[in-house]
Amino acid sequence: AQSVTQPDIHITVSEGASLELRCNYSYGATPYLFWYVQSPGQGLQLLLKYFSGDTLVQGIKGFEAEFKRSQSSFNLRKPSVHWSDAAEYFCAVGPSNDMRFGAGTRLTVKP
Amino acid sequence: DTEVTQTPKHLVMGMTNKKSLKCEQHMGHRAMYWYKQKAKKPPELMFVYSYEKLSINESVPSRFSPECPNSSLLNLHLHALQPEDSALYLCASSQSTGGRTGELFFGEGSRLTVL
Repeated sequence: AQSVTQPDIHITVSEGASLELRCNYSYGATPYLFWYVQSPGQGLQLLLKYFSGDTLVQGIKGFEAEFKRSQSSFNLRKPSVHWSDAAEYFCAVGPSNDMRFGAGTRLTVKP
Repeated sequence: DTEVTQTPKHLVMGMTNKKSLKCEQHMGHRAMYWYKQKAKKPPELMFVYSYEKLSINESVPSRFSPECPNSSLLNLHLHALQPEDSALYLCASSQSTGGRTGELFFGEGSRLTVL
């Protein structure tokens, strides 16, 4: 069965610093991978997705993620974090009718 | 701006009340979903509708009753809920179910409190 692990429950970074959020997945076939962001009390917004092809994918708000099949990872990165990036980040895997979400990583941005 | 609209944004109900949550999308998507999200937890899938037919029910208690009147609308009827049902209920849609077309578009959610 497919599953997602986000090892970091909470990460704090300074504004302007770089960011990497980790995601490891377990999936039997070619994975469909997603990163979503959720601000408090809001719905989830898609940052980026990977289906196939180039393993480095670009998303919205300056985020990118790299798919590494050998490591079963799909880590999210941003070179310079803004205070508005503070939110909960969810990695997800699978087709839409069986999408599994990781537990989430809460990002705090220090001024 | 989200293209999936959920109403109401907040709902408070007693355990004997009957209420409904509504969800609407105008993206021409043929799959719609209900998720439940407790505080500090990821969303949990409740129901999937594909082409207006219920295709997945994740063993949700019968006090939650979904309805898909047409391809743009999705309702969740609530009756005799328990306090532990208090949560953020998220609606989502996708072009269809499956892989490449399966990107989910979420609404902003309905915050439900059961007293």
